[in-house]
Amino acid sequence: GAVVSQHPSRVICKSGTSVKIECRSLDFQATTMFWYRQFPKQSLMLMATSNEGSKATYEQGVEKDKFLINHASLTLSTLTVTSAHPEDSSFYICSARDLQGAMNTEAFFGQGTRLTVV
Amino acid sequence: GQNIDQPTEMTATEGAIVQINCTYQTSGFNGLFWYQQHAGEAPTFLSYNVLDGLEEKGRFSSFLSRSKGYSYLLLKELQMKDSASYLCAVFSGGYNKLIFGAGTRLAVHP
Repeated sequence: GAVVSQHPSRVICKSGTSVKIECRSLDFQATTMFWYRQFPKQSLMLMATSNEGSKATYEQGVEKDKFLINHASLTLSTLTVTSAHPEDSSFYICSARDLQGAMNTEAFFGQGTRLTVV
Repeated sequence: GQNIDQPTEMTATEGAIVQINCTYQTSGFNGLFWYQQHAGEAPTFLSYNVLDGLEEKGRFSSFLSRSKGYSYLLLKELQMKDSASYLCAVFSGGYNKLIFGAGTRLAVHP
């Protein structure tokens, strides 16, 4: 399958600071990328959907000013957690799909980022 | 809207067979996925069903009945490494969003 690289895998930051998480599709063009958040022993909750070159679509209850998503190219999307608080500590996972390609149904996942806000 | 239900936890014995069920309600069905997720790791793709019937892939098989809004994942010859969460997911809003169920935590015992 296709490869999606997510960086960093782990990050610890202080309350009030911002953290940027990168998601790259390495061998395909990701026309659509999804950002999920997962709390311990819970499933993946979709935060937002981003399409290359346009604004992200956020799910209900997700603050777009706090979770900034940029999808500037067909291979890179970034999620910035601004003014982080301890309750933002979670596992963040990106997923990428190539809606134009042959494998247009499968979603490929990055390795995930464990964010801890202290 | 959409709703996906699967059991929270299951236990099974090494070498046995286990079936994990998933029922769903969604507008405009476009396929159902099963993913495996080990603790602290990202999900890995297991199967994708869009037509009714059974898809077999090695020790894992997945079944779909669109009329019943029902799917199951069948794991044969269970191994200890199969202890993980199994996530059922469906597309919502056409092919736009992939929505996950709460996941089933499977514990395989010797």
